[in-house]
Amino acid sequence: EPEVTQTPSHQVTQMGQEVILRCVPISNHLYFYWYRQILGQKVEFLVSFYNNEISEKSEIFDDQFSVERPDGSNFTLKIRSTKLEDSAMYFCASVREGNSPLHFGNGTRLTVT
Amino acid sequence: RKEVEQDPGPFNVPEGATVAFNCTYSNSASQSFFWYRQDCRKEPKLLMSVYSSGNEDGRFTAQLNRASQYISLLIRDSKLSDSATYLCVVNPSTSGTYKYIFGTGTRLKVLA
Repeated sequence: EPEVTQTPSHQVTQMGQEVILRCVPISNHLYFYWYRQILGQKVEFLVSFYNNEISEKSEIFDDQFSVERPDGSNFTLKIRSTKLEDSAMYFCASVREGNSPLHFGNGTRLTVT
Repeated sequence: RKEVEQDPGPFNVPEGATVAFNCTYSNSASQSFFWYRQDCRKEPKLLMSVYSSGNEDGRFTAQLNRASQYISLLIRDSKLSDSATYLCVVNPSTSGTYKYIFGTGTRLKVLA
């Protein structure tokens, strides 16, 4: 069964550094998402991406965040200048079409020190 | 009112018990509904979609009540392996975008 893959599984970075989290969605899926989950808290929507542009973003997704689909397969989340409060699990997800269930990757645990 | 609301639990039930969770949503125009299961520090995994007429998958039954804006999940004959957090997910589907909103999750512990 095709799956969403994310790399790295764990990233440790110092405050103020830039990080790029990578995702390869399922190949015939059209909508792509990033979610965040701070330890012990709920899964929070960050951004959705469709047709090579952001379709919706949350208040969390400020100017420090950006997404890109550089080559038709990878889908990346960049955090320009990490803060301690960015420490969380970041999940990439994709869906084939609107209203279908989300398929999640295994997540990247980001630790900002 | 929160967009998607769940009782966080925990629900502690003995093996073999039947347990039910509810989830309420605020946007009456919401189009699609799902239950996901999440194990500690893992990604959410789809348990089942929720259809208007209700649907069943083995020991799991999901119901949708549009009038009262809630969905439910019933687990029969609970197993130890059912211990997890159950996440309600609602897709408001407004403006042609698909933004899946998660509830806080309901924690279930099945006890031997």
